[in-house]
Amino acid sequence: DSGVTQTPKHLITATGQRVTLRCSPRSGDLSVYWYQQSLDQGLQFLIQYYNGEERAKGNILERFSAQQFPDLHSELNLSSLELGDSALYFCASSYGQIQETQYFGPGTRLLVL
Amino acid sequence: AQSVTQLDSQVPVFEEAPVELRCNYSSSVSVYLFWYVQYPNQGLQLLLKYLSGSTLVKGINGFEAEFNKSQTSFHLRKPSVHISDTAEYFCAVSGGKGTYKYIFGTGTRLKVLA
Repeated sequence: DSGVTQTPKHLITATGQRVTLRCSPRSGDLSVYWYQQSLDQGLQFLIQYYNGEERAKGNILERFSAQQFPDLHSELNLSSLELGDSALYFCASSYGQIQETQYFGPGTRLLVL
Repeated sequence: AQSVTQLDSQVPVFEEAPVELRCNYSSSVSVYLFWYVQYPNQGLQLLLKYLSGSTLVKGINGFEAEFNKSQTSFHLRKPSVHISDTAEYFCAVSGGKGTYKYIFGTGTRLKVLA
């Protein structure tokens, strides 16, 4: 158990809908990272927050947004969902930033029908 | 810009044989290098990391990696694999000028055969 929790574990929804994925980092960690893992694209970095501020952006679509709240938990919002958004979404946390080990949550499996 | 290349998408190997998983990176500045492992239906977990100092890094489960600056490589090795090492292995790089990005390679699926 990494200490990072993600909810929900599974999510099934329809195209065009909006969902919110939630992540609670390990106690004391200030950074939260979001990743998308799919069979065709591999593991893609989406976005990173550090102590409430956005620090790095990867291949995140405009339909996706995220935020980190004062209690350091984070939410990833996916809107206008398409079939191709079906994937495993991981959250990871670390105390600091670039040289720190990331601790990954178990992931949220999203299926868009 | 930084990038990471994992040269092999799949590596089959017999139990108790040695294995090397290859990783090359591209960066114009000093970086930090990591290997993560993902077991089926689980998140990633750190095997080892290179930040500075000795170029030979030892990690968990008997794995080690060697940082080679001249060849821009960070290959992962294990002298004798077990069935339980069957998993996907990801090389990652972070650091570099003006970026907080953490770049993962495409992964290498290690299949240990009995």
